[in-house]
Amino acid sequence: QKEVEQDPGPLSVPEGAIVSLNCTYSNSAFQYFMWYRQYSRKGPELLMYTYSSGNKEDGRFTAQVDKSSKYISLFIRDSQPSDSATYLCAPRGQTGANNLFFGTGTRLTVIP
Amino acid sequence: NAGVTQTPKFRVLKTGQSMTLLCAQDMNHEYMYWYRQDPGMGLRLIHYSVGEGTTAKGEVPDGYNVSRLKKQNFLLGLESAAPSQTSVYFCASSLPLTSGASTDTQYFGPGTRLTVL
Repeated sequence: QKEVEQDPGPLSVPEGAIVSLNCTYSNSAFQYFMWYRQYSRKGPELLMYTYSSGNKEDGRFTAQVDKSSKYISLFIRDSQPSDSATYLCAPRGQTGANNLFFGTGTRLTVIP
Repeated sequence: NAGVTQTPKFRVLKTGQSMTLLCAQDMNHEYMYWYRQDPGMGLRLIHYSVGEGTTAKGEVPDGYNVSRLKKQNFLLGLESAAPSQTSVYFCASSLPLTSGASTDTQYFGPGTRLTVL
């Protein structure tokens, strides 16, 4: 079983739509839950992260973690064409360098 | 402050040839990583290093070797390239999670696109 499962999409939405991106994971030891954004032909960059369960909001982005169901979500409100990118969820355990697991990424296109 | 840089950006090799990818970071990070990214497979860790002079295997280490002679550099070598190694290679660096940082954000380079014919 993979550590992280993520729907690869692609997902295409009109500008202004609410976007929901989701991942499931298998390891109950995961404590940190990151979302990386990767623009075409660029390296990933950290978008936001949460620690343990709950919600975290940053502008138009909200990250949500439900540890009981091992479910990770990223919501984008009022989506913009500049949000067009691949979004990778990345949960990790408490410590250690080799303890971060990336989902395959969901490719999002926001149409003006 | 350049962050993480990778050399070269593109390369085409023939089967059996060797090459070295260079990664450099100027953020004084302890940890460095090499990933490969393939369609439908996501980012997979090849090798990583937790400090100068130390390296360790990741998820897909076969066919690759690494060295970390200086803290700021992490080299990835392919001794005998195979078509299965056609991929985009990313280097990343981070501080350890235990260093007091709120999280160990990994900072990625721009990638090297490698084609093996």
